[in-house]
Amino acid sequence: DAGVTQSPTHLIKTRGQHVTLRCSPISGHKSVSWYQQVLGQGPQFIFQYYEKEERGRGNFPDRFSARQFPNYSSELNVNALLLGDSALYLCASDGRGNTGELFFGEGSRLTVL
Amino acid sequence: QQQVKQSPQSLIVQKGGIPIINCAYENTAFDYFPWYQQFPGKGPALLIAIRPDVSEKKEGRFTISFNKSAKQFSLHIMDSQPGDSATYFCAEGGGADGLTFGKGTHLIIQP
Repeated sequence: DAGVTQSPTHLIKTRGQHVTLRCSPISGHKSVSWYQQVLGQGPQFIFQYYEKEERGRGNFPDRFSARQFPNYSSELNVNALLLGDSALYLCASDGRGNTGELFFGEGSRLTVL
Repeated sequence: QQQVKQSPQSLIVQKGGIPIINCAYENTAFDYFPWYQQFPGKGPALLIAIRPDVSEKKEGRFTISFNKSAKQFSLHIMDSQPGDSATYFCAEGGGADGLTFGKGTHLIIQP
């Protein structure tokens, strides 16, 4: 079975632009979470979605938004990009939505110039 | 904001040695404490996890020790191998609040 897949794997944007990152969870998993990992740091929680509803949100500005589709795939959107948004964005799926047993994708590496 | 304090930041061990990575947590409301392993260019992968109703859990060469009264937990890697060289993260939490990760330990196992 395929694991969590993310696209694109790498992208470069300039300050002020908008970016959309996509994620497909493991088949049968209904929960998707997004994390930001700055170089040299641990992942930081951004959002959790379960059954297409936002269940949790980390300490990120409103420039960050997400949604989950009927097929449980998800998008993370970031508006008005700042240099500090440069990071690896990780998507994770969870079979039951209430555990920490997260299965991560390989991430989308965003560079903001 | 709650934190998980992880140490050491980096660690070099000879093959066959037992690296030990420690974490201290603040929030006693959570009941799930996982360890993740991350190789360069990859996403983190769940290695082993523990709940506070037990003091130790072993899976293969990996062992978690949990000290609820001290709010600390640690990862031990028995008979370490060069292939264990990676960055290790402890975490706490789960569910709608997400996981809170430590800053990571960069482990090198020398042949």
